[in-house]
Amino acid sequence: GAVVSQHPSRVICKSGTSVKIECRSLDFQATTMFWYRQFPKQSLMLMATSNEGSKATYEQGVEKDKFLINHASLTLSTLTVTSAHPEDSSFYICSASQQGARETQYFGPGTRLLVL
Amino acid sequence: GENVEQHPSTLSVQEGDSAVIKCTYSDSASNYFPWYKQELGKRPQLIIDIRSNVGEKKDQRIAVTLNKTAKHFSLHITETQPEDSAVYFCAANIAGNTPLVFGKGTRLSVIA
Repeated sequence: GAVVSQHPSRVICKSGTSVKIECRSLDFQATTMFWYRQFPKQSLMLMATSNEGSKATYEQGVEKDKFLINHASLTLSTLTVTSAHPEDSSFYICSASQQGARETQYFGPGTRLLVL
Repeated sequence: GENVEQHPSTLSVQEGDSAVIKCTYSDSASNYFPWYKQELGKRPQLIIDIRSNVGEKKDQRIAVTLNKTAKHFSLHITETQPEDSAVYFCAANIAGNTPLVFGKGTRLSVIA
């Protein structure tokens, strides 16, 4: 199947700092990538849909100025958590779908963020 | 928008028994229904999916059934093994790069 990578896998930062998470589709082109957040023992909650070359679409309740998304190429989307606070600590996972096989989404390995 | 309900939230079975997880969806336009398995601290892995033009799909010990009229779909795991223990998520969407809407997950424990 298609491979999606994420970097970093784990990050610890101080309150008030910004953290950038990268999501890459390694062996396919993804016009659309999705960013999810997962709190412990909970389901995946969609944060935003990232479209290559255009602005991301954010879900209700997700602050676009706090969670900056850039999808500059067909293989890379980035999520920047700005001015992180402890409540932003979570597991962030991206997914991507292949052009021509639009239903199946492949997930990255996730990034565990801990804000102190 | 789409809403996906999943039951049960936890399920314990003896090794070798079958496990069934059920989901319902609200949007009759949804036409793609994947199931993901997530082990602790890892990414969700697609284990099987079904599209609305079929009613059942099987892959070795795993099968999924879909009832479009009732808007529900189910995951069936036969001859369960300890390595099947994980959290399983159902999801639904309208095909075409639309976001998946996930159920809340089922924590399956297979007891040896």
